[in-house]
Amino acid sequence: QVQLQESGPGLVKPSQTLSLTCTVSGGSISSGNYYWSWIRQPAGKGLEWIGRIYTSGTTNYNPSLKSRVTISVDTSKNQFSLKLSSVTAADTAVYYCARGSVFNWFDPWGQGTLVTVSS
Amino acid sequence: QSVLTQPPSVSGAPGQRVTISCTGSSSNIGAGYDVHWYQQLPGTVPKVLIYGNNIRPSGVPDRFSGSRSGTSASLAITGLQAEDEADYYCQSYDRSLSGYVLFGGGTKLTVL
Repeated sequence: QVQLQESGPGLVKPSQTLSLTCTVSGGSISSGNYYWSWIRQPAGKGLEWIGRIYTSGTTNYNPSLKSRVTISVDTSKNQFSLKLSSVTAADTAVYYCARGSVFNWFDPWGQGTLVTVSS
Repeated sequence: QSVLTQPPSVSGAPGQRVTISCTGSSSNIGAGYDVHWYQQLPGTVPKVLIYGNNIRPSGVPDRFSGSRSGTSASLAITGLQAEDEADYYCQSYDRSLSGYVLFGGGTKLTVL
C-alpha cells in the first residue's frame, strides 16, 4: 500500500525558509484521483492544514499561510515538497504529509517530522 | 477565515456513550461538504476514523459512528473503552477564499 515519508532539516533559523520533502512509495504519485497535502501540528495543539497540490501542478493554500507557502511536485521522483518562508518560532511543529481524496479526507499520513525554528 | 468548533474535552466511564460535536457554518458543513473524523492516540499519527460523514474504514469498530446535519456534525462512541482515550478531530472543506481544508480544534476524550 502507499506509504509517505517526510524528510528535511529538523532545525531552521528564524527568518529562513523551511524546506521539506515527502516521498511516496508503494504506488505512483500520479495514479488515482488524489492530491497531496501538508499538515502541521504544534506540540500540544491541533492540526493545521497548510496546502495541497495535484500532480497537474494545481495548488491551494491555507489563507493564513498563503503568502509564505509554496508546494511543488516532482512526479519523476514520486515526491512533493513544502517551502515555508520567513519562519518564526510559531512555525515550530510536527509536519505531516498526507494523501487527500477527492472528498477531502486524508489517508495515509506520513509519520511526521519535527521542525524547530530556533537560532 | 472559517472555523470548525469542537469542545476541548469530553469524558465518560467505560461502557458509556459519548458524543463529540463539530460546529461549522454555511460555507463548509452547511454547504454540503463532507465531514471526516480522525483519532490521534497519544504520540501517534492521526488516523481516519470516519469519512464521508458516516463511513467507517475497514478495521474501525462499529462502536464509532458519525452524522451530519445542517451546519454541524457529530461523532458518537458507544461502549467506551480505555483504549479510546485520544484526541479526536473533525475536518471538512470551506468554499470561501478560493477553497481550503479546515480542521476542528480537537477534542480530548478521557475515559474515567
